[in-house]
Amino acid sequence: GQSLEQPSEVTAVEGAIVQINCTYQTSGFYGLSWYQQHDGGAPTFLSYNGLDGLEETGRFSSFLSRSDSYGYLLLQELQMKDSASYFCAVRSYNTDKLIFGTGTRLQVFP
Amino acid sequence: EAGVAQSPRYKIIEKRQSVAFWCNPISGHATLYWYQQILGQGPKLLIQFQNNGVVDDSQLPKDRFSAERLKGVDSTLKIQPAKLEDSAVYLCASSPGTNLYGYTFGSGTRLTVV
Repeated sequence: GQSLEQPSEVTAVEGAIVQINCTYQTSGFYGLSWYQQHDGGAPTFLSYNGLDGLEETGRFSSFLSRSDSYGYLLLQELQMKDSASYFCAVRSYNTDKLIFGTGTRLQVFP
Repeated sequence: EAGVAQSPRYKIIEKRQSVAFWCNPISGHATLYWYQQILGQGPKLLIQFQNNGVVDDSQLPKDRFSAERLKGVDSTLKIQPAKLEDSAVYLCASSPGTNLYGYTFGSGTRLTVV
């Protein structure tokens, strides 16, 4: 089967840096995506790694290592508004559907 | 561009009752998805449409859930009869069909079955 595991919760203070890990067990996939979801809101697309390595978009960076079946989302200069749930997701070659990870709830404190 | 529209925003029903959710995807998006998100979990795909045809409904509980996408635009998801474990947020998403990067999700319908 296909599964993506994430830590259930991460806490940090404003201005800090936090890393959210995603380990997966899945067959071929197009790439690793990250979504942000505030309480009561819709998941919104954050980033995509099609190739191994680091992708940077403003305060957020995402990393993928296919050989290690591992990726992470790095959030820098944390702000209170970053408090949300974060999901990694893959789109499978075989099924062409987006499969989400277990999700990580990030709480940012003043 | 307008986003993915869903209604209603909230619904409370008793078990064994029926309920229907509506989704209007982004104009021109060929692919439409319904996801179920139970509190504290990641979204789980229920059904995927390509235009008005079903691509994947392998995780749709077909004894009680049904979905249709008439004319390849709007879609409805129905539950009949509802069970307590159906309490969740039902998310609709759409994509152009060729986008490997991201879907656009609607705000979802929060269903509570009592």
